[in-house]
Amino acid sequence: DAEITQSPRHKITETGRQVTLACHQTWNHNNMFWYRQDLGHGLRLIHYSYGVQDTNKGEVSDGYSVSRSNTEDLPLTLESAASSQTSVYFCASSESGEWNEQFFGPGTRLTVL
Amino acid sequence: AQTVTQSQPEMSVQEAETVTLSCTYDTSESDYYLFWYKQPPSRQMILVIRQEAYKQQNATENRFSVNFQKAAKSFSLKISDSQLGDAAMYFCAYRSGGGNQFYFGTGTSLTVIP
Repeated sequence: DAEITQSPRHKITETGRQVTLACHQTWNHNNMFWYRQDLGHGLRLIHYSYGVQDTNKGEVSDGYSVSRSNTEDLPLTLESAASSQTSVYFCASSESGEWNEQFFGPGTRLTVL
Repeated sequence: AQTVTQSQPEMSVQEAETVTLSCTYDTSESDYYLFWYKQPPSRQMILVIRQEAYKQQNATENRFSVNFQKAAKSFSLKISDSQLGDAAMYFCAYRSGGGNQFYFGTGTSLTVIP
């Protein structure tokens, strides 16, 4: 069955370190998204991609970057982790078209100390 | 950007009873889609139900149904015969007809009381 996976599921890091969260989907979807979930804020869009070599900034992109070198993967990098980036991160993917619901990964809980 | 508002941070319902979760949205578009996602304690986001704006008929999926009021920009979720497994965070989401981005509300935490 097609799926979307994230790794690691839990990560503890220190302020100032570079961190990369992996997202891999086997749906063959063109569209991929990264969100962060914080209490009281719901899901906020960090970055998104509509295809290979395409990346776009979302609502809360400062301090984050992504790259899309193939259809399956969209890694999220925190260049210099800050305590404000402690959150749960979700990756999602979708196909373009009328009924393009987003399929979500299981999430990564990141703690920045 | 479109705004999605869920004004009820927390709700509770007795098992077997009915509960309605509210969602309003702000848009100037006429073509769009609306979704309700469920997030149980496992954190996995699960699609519950979806509605096309051009359809007048309210969507229904088993015990889940929506009340879509396009003029009022309202999209509420009704859960009938509530079960313990319905306890979760519920998110309302909007997508424009020609786009791929989703806009999410802040969520409603539903507790089901045995």
